[in-house]
Amino acid sequence: QVQLQESGPGLVKPSQTLSLTCTVSGGSISSGSYYWSWIRQPAGKGLEWIGRIYTSGSTNYNPSLKSRVTISVDTSKNQFSLKLSSVTAADTAVYYCARERYSSSSRYMDVWGKGTTVTVSS
Amino acid sequence: QSVLTQPPSVSGAPGQRVTISCTGSSSNIGAGYDVHWYQQLPGTAPKLLIYGNSNRPSGVPDRFSGSKSGTSASLAITGLQAEDEADYYCQSYDSSLRVFGGGTKLTVL
Repeated sequence: QVQLQESGPGLVKPSQTLSLTCTVSGGSISSGSYYWSWIRQPAGKGLEWIGRIYTSGSTNYNPSLKSRVTISVDTSKNQFSLKLSSVTAADTAVYYCARERYSSSSRYMDVWGKGTTVTVSS
Repeated sequence: QSVLTQPPSVSGAPGQRVTISCTGSSSNIGAGYDVHWYQQLPGTAPKLLIYGNSNRPSGVPDRFSGSKSGTSASLAITGLQAEDEADYYCQSYDSSLRVFGGGTKLTVL
């Protein structure tokens, strides 16, 4: 079955860019009708959807982060990535990647990575 | 402030039934978008529990059920077990956003 694994630096300095990669295994990122999403969760708080990408490269971002977020896909490596610029302590969180199923009335994440903790600190 | 509203906590004794509510608005649940539920055990990633308002993925016990009416949805857990102690999140769709509830902590007494 499809598995997702996040990777990237666990510590990022304020004002720098957070960069994470999600590697998809057990299936092709290009097969099926799925979006590929990033979600984050500050310690002790709820879930926040960051954005998603389709393998065509089309993206959709949370307006609250849109000016700082870039999600990209590399189908040859079966990976998609997240870049978040100008980070502050408020961006400290566990970051999850997920596979998203969609229909006319539905968007939901059916496969999640285990998450990676990113701390913003000097 | 989450777009979807959930009670911060619920509790129940083993074997009992508990419900968790999720209240939205006319731009998300009330607009006809489906509600989905996730279970997050301590220290782990969220896991899809219910999709499309009332459907269970393979492997999810039938003790878990979901429903939707108007601008709200509910998750019911019957025959409560100690292993059900977790955080539960509802999620829907609103103006191109995937929106979550603030989460409900279920304590098994």
